[in-house]
Amino acid sequence: SQTIHQWPATLVQPVGSPLSLECTVEGTSNPNLYWYRQAAGRGLQLLFYSVGIGQISSEVPQNLSASRPQDRQFILSSKKLLLSDSGFYLCAWSVGKGAVGELFFGEGSRLTVL
Amino acid sequence: SQQGEEDPQALSIQEGENATMNCSYKTSINNLQWYRQNSGRGLVHLILIRSNEREKHSGRLRVTLDTSKKSSSLLITASRAADTASYFCATVMGGYQKVTFGTGTKLQVIP
Repeated sequence: SQTIHQWPATLVQPVGSPLSLECTVEGTSNPNLYWYRQAAGRGLQLLFYSVGIGQISSEVPQNLSASRPQDRQFILSSKKLLLSDSGFYLCAWSVGKGAVGELFFGEGSRLTVL
Repeated sequence: SQQGEEDPQALSIQEGENATMNCSYKTSINNLQWYRQNSGRGLVHLILIRSNEREKHSGRLRVTLDTSKKSSSLLITASRAADTASYFCATVMGGYQKVTFGTGTKLQVIP
């Protein structure tokens, strides 16, 4: 069966520090991968999605970047965090090829920037 | 950017009542999906309806889709306290792989 792992679960970082959130998927090949951010009590904002290794689509110009070094690994990074980067970050995957169906989400990473 | 807008933003009902949530979106879609999120957790997929479908059922869930009005509704019948959560609609445009979420409805079911 397929599983998705996302870490760390909680992170408190000072302004200006770097960030790395990692997401891995097991039990499937060539998935579509997604990073979303959710502000407190709000909806999900699509940050990045990827349909293959090295293929990253950015939805919102910002202080963040994403990479997909391996088929089932998706990394969200920042060189210098801003206060506005605080939020709940969610990684998700879907079956690749054809129209996108169900998304499977990780448990999220809560980032607080102080 | 948000593709969908949910209405109402919050809903409080008694256990046993039905809960209806609405979603409006802006562009043509391939399919529309509904998700549930318990506080502080990841989202869980509930149901998917394709653009050529008008209604779909899954257990106590009923979803309708009106592509002419660019709107969908989620009905939860005979609600239970365990249904308390936030509910989101998500849209997929044809030919694209991105999935865009709405703003969500926070449902509280009072025992």
